[in-house]
Amino acid sequence: AQSVTQLDSQVPVFEEAPVELRCNYSSSVSVYLFWYVQYPNQGLQLLLKYLSGSTLVKGINGFEAEFNKSQTSFHLRKPSVHISDTAEYFCAVSSSGGSYIPTFGRGTSLIVHP
Amino acid sequence: DAGVIQSPRHEVTEMGQEVTLRCKPISGHDYLFWYRQTMMRGLELLIYFNNNVPIDDSGMPEDRFSAKMPNASFSTLKIQPSEPRDSAVYFCASSLADRKNQPQHFGDGTRLSIL
Repeated sequence: AQSVTQLDSQVPVFEEAPVELRCNYSSSVSVYLFWYVQYPNQGLQLLLKYLSGSTLVKGINGFEAEFNKSQTSFHLRKPSVHISDTAEYFCAVSSSGGSYIPTFGRGTSLIVHP
Repeated sequence: DAGVIQSPRHEVTEMGQEVTLRCKPISGHDYLFWYRQTMMRGLELLIYFNNNVPIDDSGMPEDRFSAKMPNASFSTLKIQPSEPRDSAVYFCASSLADRKNQPQHFGDGTRLSIL
């Protein structure tokens, strides 16, 4: 069985400040990891994904995430946020064995203040 | 390049009425998923199809919910009779083949309000 924990339900931050959204997962097999972003009144869209190889993954809109196998984490970071980054962010995990179905976290609401 | 298309975008109806939500997946995608999103429960997987065949419907909350996929380009989620607690945003998503490293592509959702 696999699970995802997003440690913060809400993260407020000022514009141009750095931000980190935390994600921890559990799985007994190798994993694929994803971050999705959901803007108001829209569906989820892929921000970035880790499949294999380099543990530092770069995505769209200046976001990046680092896969840490020993800590079973996949935290999302951005060095300088914009007002337009205000959205809900979801971490998801898919295991290489077992069911195809990815498991989503509960989401973290990023609120960027001017 | 069209994404996943859902209709209607908004639906308001009275309890007891039948509600039908529609989804057109991305052409060529083999998997189709229906999710429900609420503040209380987050994103819940209701059912998913592979090549038009329902694979797992364990997330469907009650017998009032049913889903069909008559062909590769169309799926419906039906609620009959509807209840106020069914109010939520319902998402359809599709993905390619049975490779677990493929991301899902989501539609913009149907915001359902049952009065």
